[in-house]
Amino acid sequence: NAGVTQTPKFQVLKTGQSMTLQCAQDMNHEYMSWYRQDPGMGLRLIHYSVGAGITDQGEVPNGYNVSRSTTEDFPLRLLSAAPSQTSVYFCASSYRGSNQPQHFGDGTRLSIL
Amino acid sequence: AQSVAQPEDQVNVAEGNPLTVKCTYSVSGNPYLFWYVQYPNRGLQFLLKYITGDNLVKGSYGFEAEFNKSQTSFHLKKPSALVSDSALYFCAVRDIYGGATNKLIFGTGTLLAVQP
Repeated sequence: NAGVTQTPKFQVLKTGQSMTLQCAQDMNHEYMSWYRQDPGMGLRLIHYSVGAGITDQGEVPNGYNVSRSTTEDFPLRLLSAAPSQTSVYFCASSYRGSNQPQHFGDGTRLSIL
Repeated sequence: AQSVAQPEDQVNVAEGNPLTVKCTYSVSGNPYLFWYVQYPNRGLQFLLKYITGDNLVKGSYGFEAEFNKSQTSFHLKKPSALVSDSALYFCAVRDIYGGATNKLIFGTGTLLAVQP
């Protein structure tokens, strides 16, 4: 069982560069989401999706785009990287339903210079 | 506003002693509450949840949590700590304004350090 797979695990970017963080799940989960984790701030929701073709903004969406063309994949795009986007990014998935636990990938550690 | 508070940045406990990691919440209505654990360089793992029913919820790895509505708390407990329990623990509550989504509001995390 692969679960939730995130690539790459580490990335260093220069300010202004763009990149895509990949997330894939093999559990046929309807719900997928992206969080960023910063010291002392817990996890903050960036974007989420309740199914293929449906996405919405979370708490901190600025500077990020998402799309959901398939149930399995939910990539996160940084349009023009800024040092404030240095963080650890986690993708999560679950069955739809607010009592469902979420399954997390192991994260992408991103540094913006 | 909805929120989750974990008042302790770090909890230190000796192996074999009981442990408690505290969590309080502020939401309207009936809360759905969750505990997750994060080991170094890993994603979060689900431990347990309270949706309704018994106030004492049992979860993975011998952990349990007690829901207390009057004190708006959901403290995580374990009768006998192990060194391998050392990790970062997050409390989370369902975002009641999230509709049918699974949106969660996370606390800032508590680092549990178990000394041998």
